[in-house]
Amino acid sequence: DAGVIQSPRHEVTEMGQEVTLRCKPISGHNSLFWYRQTMMRGLELLIYFNNNVPIDDSGMPEDRFSAKMPNASFSTLKIQPSEPRDSAVYFCASSLAETGELFFGEGSRLTVL
Amino acid sequence: AQSVTQLGSHVSVSEGALVLLRCNYSSSVPPYLFWYVQYPNQGLQLLLKYTSAATLVKGINGFEAEFKKSETSFHLTKPSAHMSDAAEYFCAVRNTGGFKTIFGAGTRLFVKA
Repeated sequence: DAGVIQSPRHEVTEMGQEVTLRCKPISGHNSLFWYRQTMMRGLELLIYFNNNVPIDDSGMPEDRFSAKMPNASFSTLKIQPSEPRDSAVYFCASSLAETGELFFGEGSRLTVL
Repeated sequence: AQSVTQLGSHVSVSEGALVLLRCNYSSSVPPYLFWYVQYPNQGLQLLLKYTSAATLVKGINGFEAEFKKSETSFHLTKPSAHMSDAAEYFCAVRNTGGFKTIFGAGTRLFVKA
């Protein structure tokens, strides 16, 4: 079975550009999470969805960040405009809400110059 | 609010020695507790989880953890370290009935030959 699929794996962009990160969760999972990992702040929960509905976006750092889940098999995290401090590895994870264990993608490494 | 504290950002052991990684949690309700492992340039993988059944939980790769409510702890152990255990380990907590999973800061395990 395919795991969580994230794209792109690496993204290098210039400050001010729009960045879109994509995630395909595991089929049948009903919860999806976006995390950001940096050396300074560790793993931060940005937003999570249950049954495609955003439940808690209190971790989204600013209005420049937005996330959508238009259907059960796809989610996006968008940063517009991007800034150098957004440089990080962004992870998508999915789970069955009943069991709680998270299945992570391999991450998208974002570098904003 | 739930939180997780991992004692020691780095732990170094010799191959064949006991591994002990410490985790304390704070939760207002009985939690689900998890240990995840992250190898370089990869996403996190579940090692084991506690969901209020047995207090001693066995996971993959010879790891186990014991839930101690009186100490609010969930320490991870392995009797004999192997070189392949070198990685970063994260403790995580999720409240029962909730979706939000919060991670500790992580402990990097070094294994010396």
